[in-house]
Amino acid sequence: GESVGLHLPTLSVQEGDNSIINCAYSNSASDYFIWYKQESGKGPQFIIDIRSNMDKRQGQRVTVLLNKTVKHLSLQIAATQPGDSAVYFCAEIISGGYQKVTFGTGTKLQVIP
Amino acid sequence: DAGVIQSPRHEVTEMGQEVTLRCKPISGHNSLFWYRQTMMRGLELLIYFNNNVPIDDSGMPEDRFSAKMPNASFSTLKIQPSEPRDSAVYFCASTSRGRRGDPYEQYFGPGTRLTVT
Repeated sequence: GESVGLHLPTLSVQEGDNSIINCAYSNSASDYFIWYKQESGKGPQFIIDIRSNMDKRQGQRVTVLLNKTVKHLSLQIAATQPGDSAVYFCAEIISGGYQKVTFGTGTKLQVIP
Repeated sequence: DAGVIQSPRHEVTEMGQEVTLRCKPISGHNSLFWYRQTMMRGLELLIYFNNNVPIDDSGMPEDRFSAKMPNASFSTLKIQPSEPRDSAVYFCASTSRGRRGDPYEQYFGPGTRLTVT
């Protein structure tokens, strides 16, 4: 079995507050990014995406910010709800040709009722 | 749409046995991915098919692992012989052109939790 596990960073947030989840990506050539949400016992689920020619994109209660200079991505969740409790992954892609997806290690969001 | 379907949902087997995981992608999707998720290594891409053809299998751990996609609606991931370190959750995902033509809105199945004792 495994003796060492990933220690996921955990963010604890009060219900109703805003959450900010951060991600540092590795490849400066990556030009497309996705945030995924994974609830316990389920597969990752698409939340929002952004292309490298943008620095901000908004969805329903979620906003993704991209800073290419420092290779940083963030996901902001407004008015966090208990149903937002999950592990959040960022993924980076180099588009064109074979568009391999590289996932980050994830951040666990705990919403305190 | 039923989404990506994986079977079995749980598999417990003994070391040395052959294990076959199955995936049915979303109808109309032309790309299929197999991932493995463990606490130790997170989510790892094992192999990627496009139009039923393996494009990149560099993530396949070793020769004990093999994957096939005989048609657009079915794929298998086989481990023979299985070992305890293969214990993980195995996800299948499929994709097609997403909104605005972006191709990477991957749809994941529920996963198969494999335990090798």
